[in-house]
Amino acid sequence: GQQLNQSPQSMFIQEGEDVSMNCTSSSIFNTWLWYKQDPGEGPVLLIALYKAGELTSNGRLTAQFGITRKDSFLNISASIPSDVGIYFCAGQGGASKIIFGSGTRLSIRP
Amino acid sequence: DTGVSQDPRHKITKRGQNVTFRCDPISEHNRLYWYRQTLGQGPEFLTYFQNEAQLEKSRLLSDRFSAERPKGSFSTLEIQRTEQGDSAMYLCASRKTAGGLYNEQFFGPGTRLTVL
Repeated sequence: GQQLNQSPQSMFIQEGEDVSMNCTSSSIFNTWLWYKQDPGEGPVLLIALYKAGELTSNGRLTAQFGITRKDSFLNISASIPSDVGIYFCAGQGGASKIIFGSGTRLSIRP
Repeated sequence: DTGVSQDPRHKITKRGQNVTFRCDPISEHNRLYWYRQTLGQGPEFLTYFQNEAQLEKSRLLSDRFSAERPKGSFSTLEIQRTEQGDSAMYLCASRKTAGGLYNEQFFGPGTRLTVL
């Protein structure tokens, strides 16, 4: 079945540093998504990407839809304590289910 | 409307017991999804409904699992004869299908199931 490989699994960085994480897939997706999940909550959508090569920003977050449609990255600039959490990439091929990566756990030293 | 709600938030049960979870989607959303999330993993798709019709089921949804959405509003997910491997967070999401470039799936807070 479809699988998403997300890296790194975890990151422990200094407040103010930039963060980069990426995701690769064995299959092509029509839509790439990036979610953040806080403890005890469901995932919340951060950025949605619809076209190969598309680069989209949401505040300090920037994400790109890879040209091959099999990869995506998320950058967070000037990290702050509330950025702590688990970030998931996800792909959507059709109209229904979303396939999630295994997550990147972000921890920040103040 | 305050978003997708799920009840209960936590459930502890003994192996072999049946459990039922409820999801109330955002009111105008016609699609409702169930996912399962185990520790350290991303959510995995289980099934989804369009209105009251169940349109797709994952191989993860064994015969012990059944989901319903009888009136096209709230949904229930029942697990019969629970096993320890069923311990997970069960997430519900909903979305509308009309209009917009991408109709986001909004997730509820989940029901955390622990099977002893």
